[in-house]
Parts: sequence; structure tokens; C-alpha cells
Amino acid sequence: GNSVTQMEGPVTLSEEAFLTINCTYTATGYPSLFWYVQYPGEGLQLLLKATKADDKGSNKGFEATYRKETTSFHLEKGSVQVSDSAVYFCALGVDTGGFKTIFGAGTRLFVKA
Amino acid sequence: DAMVIQNPRYQVTQFGKPVTLSCSQTLNHNVMYWYQQKSSQAPKLLFHYYDKDFNNEADTPDNFQSRRPNTSFCFLDIRSPGLGDAAMYLCATSRDPGGGDEAFFGQGTRLTVV
Repeated sequence: GNSVTQMEGPVTLSEEAFLTINCTYTATGYPSLFWYVQYPGEGLQLLLKATKADDKGSNKGFEATYRKETTSFHLEKGSVQVSDSAVYFCALGVDTGGFKTIFGAGTRLFVKA
Repeated sequence: DAMVIQNPRYQVTQFGKPVTLSCSQTLNHNVMYWYQQKSSQAPKLLFHYYDKDFNNEADTPDNFQSRRPNTSFCFLDIRSPGLGDAAMYLCATSRDPGGGDEAFFGQGTRLTVV
């Protein structure tokens, strides 16, 4: 089946620290991979995406590389800010006779000043 | 600039009293989705429309129904809300169900059942 596993949170970092949030997936076929971010009380926003192996998605200093050999799509940022505090969802998009986005459980990030 | 708009943001309903949540979009996307998100959990897909074709997830309870009268609007009807249906309900759209397009989400409606 299709599923996403991401590291449990919460993750607490100091401002300017390096961030990694691990994400691995199981999928049939060739999924697209996404990271979404959810700020408190809000809906989800796309952070970045990659649609094929070895693609790197990047946005706002965040990066993730689609690794087919390890079925991973880890999220990284070199220097986090307080404003990055949010819940991050790794997701895969599959076409099963209708395109679906399947989400991981989410990782809550707290960044301290 | 809002592209996917959900109304209301907060909804309180009584146990067993039918409730309708609404979603509209200005993106002219073919696909509209409804997700249920309970506290600290991943969004769970309930169903989606591809144009007028309705696609229900196998584990979506019969208590949940949806209508899409036109491209722009989609409604989620909960016929007899139970306490377990209290959650954030997220509407999303995408252009094409067959590609790698991302979903665009509304801000959600938080449903409380009393």
C-alpha cells in the first residue's frame, strides 16, 4: 500500500539551529512527494515538492531531495527562525484512478528565540 | 487573494443535528477534496470530486455526504454528528487528478459537537 512515515515530534530547536525532519514512504508506482506546513489554526500550505527521483524541492530556505533508493524525502533547513514554528507534514501523491495525497502524521517544530 | 475559502471558520452543532460546511474556490480546479483532521493527526481523506464524479473513500462513514453543484462550490454534509466527528475539516483543490500537482487548502472549519 501507500503510506508515509515521519519522525515523531515535537522537535525543539534554538533559533539558527540546523533542522532535519525525516520522512520515508512506501508507494506503488512513482509518486510525487510534498512537504506541507500548517501554522496554528490554519489550513495546510505547500512548502515544497518533487515529482521524480533525484529532484530537489526548495522554498524559503527549506530543501528536500527525492531519494528513490532509500524511499526518503527528508526536510532540511540550515538556520531555523522562530517563525518556522509549525507542524510539518510529509505527503505523497499517487494516482490510483484518482489522484490522492496521503499524509504522514506530522511533526511539530518549536523554535526558541 | 484567498483561493480556497471555507465557511464558517468555526461551527458548533448539537449532537445529532445535521450540519453543512461549505467550500468555494476561485482557481477553477477540476478536483475538490474534503479531509478530516483530528487533533495532532494527519488529515484523512473523506472523499473527492473530479468534476462531477464523486469518489468516496472506503472507510468514510455513511454519515458524511458531499455535494458539488458547480465547479466553484463543494459542501460537506454531516447527517447526524456525533461527538467523535468533532474535528477540523479541510477543503482542498487541485488541477488534475492524474499528475503531480499539489493541493491548495482552505483555512479549515473547526467543528465542535455539543
